[in-house]
Amino acid sequence: QVQLQESGPGLVKPSETLSLTCTVAGGSVSSGSDYWNWVRQPPGKGLEWIGYIYTSGSTKYNSSLKSRVTISKDTSKNQFSLKLSSVTAADTAEYYCARGGGYSYVLYGMDVWGQGTTVTVSS
Amino acid sequence: QSVLTQPPSASGAPGQRVTISCSGSNSNVGNNFVYWYQQLPGTAPKLLIYRRNQRPSGVPDRFSGSKSGTSASLAISGLRSEDEADYYCAAWDDSLSGYVFGTGTRVAVL
Repeated sequence: QVQLQESGPGLVKPSETLSLTCTVAGGSVSSGSDYWNWVRQPPGKGLEWIGYIYTSGSTKYNSSLKSRVTISKDTSKNQFSLKLSSVTAADTAEYYCARGGGYSYVLYGMDVWGQGTTVTVSS
Repeated sequence: QSVLTQPPSASGAPGQRVTISCSGSNSNVGNNFVYWYQQLPGTAPKLLIYRRNQRPSGVPDRFSGSKSGTSASLAISGLRSEDEADYYCAAWDDSLSGYVFGTGTRVAVL
């Protein structure tokens, strides 16, 4: 049974880079046909997909965030990570990592989610 | 600004049937699988419906999904108090080359 756990600083200063890690248990970020995703949810608002990294290492990002986002993976630690640069208060949100399925880089959806981690952008 | 539109709220008495719509376009709902997620207060989203109206293990058959053209729907029959949650549709958008969520619908059990 796959389990995901997000970790990282809960407070980030404006203009700095937000960095989060998702640790995967019971699955592998380097084998199979899974898509490893980041999703966020600002307080009181809806869900926003940030992007994914496929087991091959290929990535796809939300076009509205593409210039600021990098998703990478560390196969030795079975983790994948999110970096979001030049953050502002608008990036304050609950951040979730999630496993997804799809075909030919088209993501169908996400079946396993982490519990989420709150990130606040404030000086 | 989401490309998938849902009503902001829906409600029903216990035992009733509630339907939530998800309106999209040919580039998303019309050409790709629509997934539905349930988010209980203060918790992470949970997969409710996937691919062609399939339910993950543990999701009761009171939940069902359907799609026609560029619109999809989630039906909850035999409404129960534990169904009070936010519900999101989602699909891949070919034009955006990205995954999009619906605006979300909050279901209240009266």
